[in-house]
Amino acid sequence: QQQVKQSPQSLIVQKGGISIINCAYENTAFDYFPWYQQFPGKGPALLIAIRPDVSEKKEGRFTISFNKSAKQFSLHIMDSQPGDSATYFCAASIGTGGFKTIFGAGTRLFVKA
Amino acid sequence: NAGVTQTPKFRILKIGQSMTLQCTQDMNHNYMYWYRQDPGMGLKLIYYSVGAGITDKGEVPNGYNVSRSTTEDFPLRLELAAPSQTSVYFCASRRANEQFFGPGTRLTVL
Repeated sequence: QQQVKQSPQSLIVQKGGISIINCAYENTAFDYFPWYQQFPGKGPALLIAIRPDVSEKKEGRFTISFNKSAKQFSLHIMDSQPGDSATYFCAASIGTGGFKTIFGAGTRLFVKA
Repeated sequence: NAGVTQTPKFRILKIGQSMTLQCTQDMNHNYMYWYRQDPGMGLKLIYYSVGAGITDKGEVPNGYNVSRSTTEDFPLRLELAAPSQTSVYFCASRRANEQFFGPGTRLTVL
């Protein structure tokens, strides 16, 4: 019940295309859903996050879509660029601040030039 | 602001050896975490701390120990290294909802 399932495991997209990564959760107590971006040899860094009281959040080319009834959320990267090539982790946490965060298994994105 | 720093960057251990992975943050964050990252497995929480003197186990604590004597430092100790502990280890601190990760330590146990 504490798991966050992420798919696909890897993704290849043409430059300018849309990258879509999906996540599903079971625990309805989760109330904060961040996405982290990790470049090779670096630690993950917060990219964008959403709370379940909104259905969509957009920051530049990155959008989170959230479906509370289906317990699913997804990351959309519009106009994907080679510089977006990285590993993306979805995550979920509980409570104010959520002192423990559950991470998905990660998606390796490669954007072809 | 250096953020979260980790040493060493790389280390090779022999089975049964011990070592300490160092983690320091200069952001005065109370919450700190240790994760291990294995290929295709995401980030698994080893231990976490909510402040100096307070630590607790995460999902995969076996074979590891931690201490938190100051706000800044959160070292991770491996007492008897085993091949199953070959992984990349990340330390993180937290402000509000955001975790700040260090650059990681790549550990190989042979």
